[in-house]
Amino acid sequence: QVQLQETGPGLLKPSETLSLTCLVSGGSMKNYFWSWIRQPPGKGLQWMGYVHSSGRTVYNPSLKSRVTISIDTSKSHFSLRLMSVTAADAAIYYCARDVSYPIVVPPTTYFYYYMDVWGKGTTVTVSS
Amino acid sequence: DIVMTQSPLLLPVTPGEPASISCRSSQSLLHSNGYTYLDWYVQKPGQSPQVLIYLGSNRASGVPDRFSGSGSGTQFTLEISRVEAEDVGIYFCMQSLQSYTFGQGTKLEIK
Repeated sequence: QVQLQETGPGLLKPSETLSLTCLVSGGSMKNYFWSWIRQPPGKGLQWMGYVHSSGRTVYNPSLKSRVTISIDTSKSHFSLRLMSVTAADAAIYYCARDVSYPIVVPPTTYFYYYMDVWGKGTTVTVSS
Repeated sequence: DIVMTQSPLLLPVTPGEPASISCRSSQSLLHSNGYTYLDWYVQKPGQSPQVLIYLGSNRASGVPDRFSGSGSGTQFTLEISRVEAEDVGIYFCMQSLQSYTFGQGTKLEIK
C-alpha cells in the first residue's frame, strides 16, 4: 500500500524559501501525478501544483511565480519549493498522489485525475 | 478562476438521519467529453483528507454506499443516506476542470 510522508523544516523566517520533500513508499511513482496541497490554520484547502513522473509540471496560477515542484523517481520522492514566504504561507502542507481514471469517448481516451492517497501533512510556521 | 461555494457551512445531524451538502461552481464543470469534473473529499478530525466521490458520482474504493454524489452543470450535491458517528468531519467539493479549486468546506457534526 502506497504511503506518503512529508518532511522539511517547520519554522521559517519571512522572505526565506520553503523546501519540503514527500517520500513515497510501497509503490511506484511511474505514470502518476504527484500533488502538493496546503491548508492554512482553520481554513480550507489550496492546491499548489503537481508533477508527473515524466517531470511535467502544472501549477496553481495564483502561486506560479513562487512555486517549483520537482521529482526524483530514482529516490522515490518529489519536492516543493516556495520562494519568499510570508505569514500567509503558514499552513499544513500535504502531498498526495493523483490517480488516473480513463474515460473512453471514441476515438479519444481521456484521463481523469483525483487524489487517492495523501500524506499526514507537515506544519509550516513563518515567523521572524 | 472557478470558485466553489458550499452550503451549509455547518451541518448538525442526528445519527441515522440523512444529510445533504450542496456545492455550486461559478462555471459549468461539464467537460467536452460529457463528464463532470467534480470530486468530494472528507477530512475527519486530526486526519488528512480522503476522497469520497470522483467524476461527480463515482464512489471511490472502500467508500460506503450510503454516500452518493449527484448534480450537473454548476449545482452538485453530496448525500449521506444515514449518518453515522464516524462521518463527523469537514466535507469539501473540488473542481478539476481548470486547475483544482476547493469549496470552503462543510463541517458535519453529530447532534
